[in-house]
Amino acid sequence: EAGVAQSPRYKIIEKRQSVAFWCNPISGHATLYWYQQILGQGPKLLIQFQNNGVVDDSQLPKDRFSAERLKGVDSTLKIQPAKLEDSAVYLCASSPGHGNTFGSGTRLTVV
Amino acid sequence: AQKVTQAQTEISVVEKEDVTLDCVYETRDTTYYLFWYKQPPSGELVFLIRRNSFDEQNEISGRYSWNFQKSTSSFNFTITASQVVDSAVYFCALMGGADGLTFGKGTHLIIQP
Repeated sequence: EAGVAQSPRYKIIEKRQSVAFWCNPISGHATLYWYQQILGQGPKLLIQFQNNGVVDDSQLPKDRFSAERLKGVDSTLKIQPAKLEDSAVYLCASSPGHGNTFGSGTRLTVV
Repeated sequence: AQKVTQAQTEISVVEKEDVTLDCVYETRDTTYYLFWYKQPPSGELVFLIRRNSFDEQNEISGRYSWNFQKSTSSFNFTITASQVVDSAVYFCALMGGADGLTFGKGTHLIIQP
């Protein structure tokens, strides 16, 4: 089966610019997650979707981050405006139940 | 709140040595799942194992083995006869109910030839 697809693979932007990441989960997986992994740390959950509804966004900095999964399939994570501390790898994962299959991630550098 | 502690920041061993990576967790859930992931230098997260809270049987998969002890809230990972290709960052993670994963900070394992 095809894995979790993410794009772009890398992105470099200046602070205060906006950026968007795209994720296409494994077909049939109802649950989709976005994680942020800062260098040297473990991934941190940002938001969890069940189909097209948000289950948990308690750790999402809502003043600058937004995410949507309009048709219950692919998802977009946006940052506007970006800060230097947003430099990280953004990982998308999907799951049919208990467990996560991860995409390759998008490495964001904010300069 | 859930918490995963990986006290070993970095471990360095010589090839063919056995090595154990420690993981201690905290949760109030009675049903939960524990995971180990491998993150090689290329960056992808590779799933290694999932255990549910009701299954305390130890598991062995080739050179890898896992020791789950509910009494001490630990889920340790042992690599037997380590190889250079085992060099990576290893993450222990916890999932309660239908939540997302809570990860530890990871252990950087270096296998020297």
